[in-house]
Amino acid sequence: GAGVSQSPSNKVTEKGKDVELRCDPISGHTALYWYRQSLGQGLEFLIYFQGNSAPDKSGLPSDRFSAERTGGSVSTLTIQRTQQEDSAVYLCASSLRRILTEAFFGQGTRLTVV
Amino acid sequence: GNSVTQMEGPVTLSEEAFLTINCTYTATGYPSLFWYVQYPGEGLQLLLKATKADDKGSNKGFEATYRKETTSFHLEKGSVQVSDSAVYFCALSEGGGATNKLIFGTGTLLAVQP
Repeated sequence: GAGVSQSPSNKVTEKGKDVELRCDPISGHTALYWYRQSLGQGLEFLIYFQGNSAPDKSGLPSDRFSAERTGGSVSTLTIQRTQQEDSAVYLCASSLRRILTEAFFGQGTRLTVV
Repeated sequence: GNSVTQMEGPVTLSEEAFLTINCTYTATGYPSLFWYVQYPGEGLQLLLKATKADDKGSNKGFEATYRKETTSFHLEKGSVQVSDSAVYFCALSEGGGATNKLIFGTGTLLAVQP
């Protein structure tokens, strides 16, 4: 596609359930990033992929959070046993190579845990 | 660690007023600096960037100069329009070694009134 695509755009889930968030980066972009945007706060880095490898996963807040990337393309962020504090907008971005050039962001998935 | 501090909003201006949004950073090494903008209902998009000291980034009438001596990257526009109403994020790139990510400030909401 022309841009970074994320699905679903909105997700409401019950506390304790697992959720999966999907990101389709721009074709050919080798770098992929997940960020979290909470109300009134900036963008919090979660994880960085280069190809299918994740050399930096330092931002994942707990072991309930995991992510994978397959085929150097689609990525899935999984949150297990969701908690109310997980409610946020989850943003995905991709970059052709290094982020020094430009990172292109998707529209995000708004996750609400009730 | 590396960090970005930007002025808190909201900033409310009348159309054609001069805009300054302050941004300072703390970093080891020589990061690239960015301003991203998030218009209502849209994803983040790159507004401008500067990759080394004394570089000036510019786009759509906005400018920011990379000042190493003051560790700043203030965003300016001479005459704002209603269509500039958005949230503005200052960011730096933290790269080298295994990591490669953007670190964002908390964002500044700009509201321009006709």
